[in-house]
Amino acid sequence: GAGVSQSPSNKVTEKGKDVELRCDPISGHTALYWYRQSLGQGLEFLIYFQGNSAPDKSGLPSDRFSAERTGGSVSTLTIQRTQQEDSAVYLCASSSSRQGINYGYTFGSGTRLTVV
Amino acid sequence: DQQVKQNSPSLSVQEGRISILNCDYTNSMFDYFLWYKKYPAEGPTFLISISSIKDKNEDGRFTVFLNKSAKHLSLHIVPSQPGDSAVYFCAATDTGGFKTIFGAGTRLFVKA
Repeated sequence: GAGVSQSPSNKVTEKGKDVELRCDPISGHTALYWYRQSLGQGLEFLIYFQGNSAPDKSGLPSDRFSAERTGGSVSTLTIQRTQQEDSAVYLCASSSSRQGINYGYTFGSGTRLTVV
Repeated sequence: DQQVKQNSPSLSVQEGRISILNCDYTNSMFDYFLWYKKYPAEGPTFLISISSIKDKNEDGRFTVFLNKSAKHLSLHIVPSQPGDSAVYFCAATDTGGFKTIFGAGTRLFVKA
């Protein structure tokens, strides 16, 4: 597609339930990133995928969070046993390898997750 | 540990005047600095960047200044327009790193 697509755009879930957030990056972009923005906070790095390399998971806040990228394209971020502090906007971005770091990522519109 | 800091949560400027958004960083290994702009319900969009070997980069109404000795950068918008009202994020990447560290953002209001 022309841009980074994320679904759903909004998700309300009950505390303790699992959720899956999806990201379709720009076709051909080898790098894919997940960030989240909690209310009043900046963008917090979660995880980074680059081609077939092992992902950089250093930003995942707990073992309830996991992500995968199938076939080097679509990525799914899974949050198990959601907690209220998981409520945030989850943003996905992609770029054409390292060039994107210095010349900017393309972000999706995000998934607003609300845990009630 | 906030490596990229934007200490002003908001800024209000009159249309036509200059907007100056500030950013400080702590990691001397950062080699590129970027500014992103974000409208409500949209993802951030890349605005302008600067390499650590430069002290200024200009693109139309937007200029970024870098002061490495002070570990400080700023974004100047002149003249400011109402459509510039958004949240501006300062960001940085380090040599060999593959992730970008973002500040908390500054909300800019440009009054008509």
